[in-house]
Amino acid sequence: NAGVTQTPKFRVLKTGQSMTLLCAQDMNHEYMYWYRQDPGMGLRLIHYSVGEGTTAKGEVPDGYNVSRLKKQNFLLGLESAAPSQTSVYFCASSWNRGGQPQHFGDGTRLSIL
Amino acid sequence: QQQVKQSPQSLIVQKGGISIINCAYENTAFDYFPWYQQFPGKGPALLIAIRPDVSEKKEGRFTISFNKSAKQFSLHIMDSQPGDSATYFCAASNPDSNYQLIWGAGTKLIIKP
Repeated sequence: NAGVTQTPKFRVLKTGQSMTLLCAQDMNHEYMYWYRQDPGMGLRLIHYSVGEGTTAKGEVPDGYNVSRLKKQNFLLGLESAAPSQTSVYFCASSWNRGGQPQHFGDGTRLSIL
Repeated sequence: QQQVKQSPQSLIVQKGGISIINCAYENTAFDYFPWYQQFPGKGPALLIAIRPDVSEKKEGRFTISFNKSAKQFSLHIMDSQPGDSATYFCAASNPDSNYQLIWGAGTKLIIKP
């Protein structure tokens, strides 16, 4: 049982480059989330999805785009990477909203030079 | 106010002792309060959670105490073990914001053998 799988695990980008982070879950969860984790700041929600074909903005959406074309996949895109986007990115999924545990992947460590 | 304030930032406890981590919130609409545990290189995992109609919840060595009037909740780890060394995050669910989780900044707990 894989749970939530994130690829890649590590990546180094140059300022201005673009990339896509992939999240896949095999639990048939409706809800999926992208967070960033920075030292001393906990987790901050970037974007989330309440079902296939839907996306919504979280707390810190600027500079990121997302897509949920298939229920099991949630993609996070950086169109023009900036050093401020250096962070650890976590994907999570849950059955639905409100009171349901979120299941996390092991993260993508992204450095923007 | 959307913040969840967590303290302390770091905590060192002797093996067998009690670890206590505190969180405070302002928004009385928050309706679900989970604690997550995160080991280095891994994503957070749900440890224990409580709803505001309950003052205490216990699961094994882990207890959440909830004070609705003070808008505070805390995690107690009894008989702390070296394997409990991890970063702990409190969070709160906001039903007015599609049940997004608002996260505390995290507490790095070290249990000394």
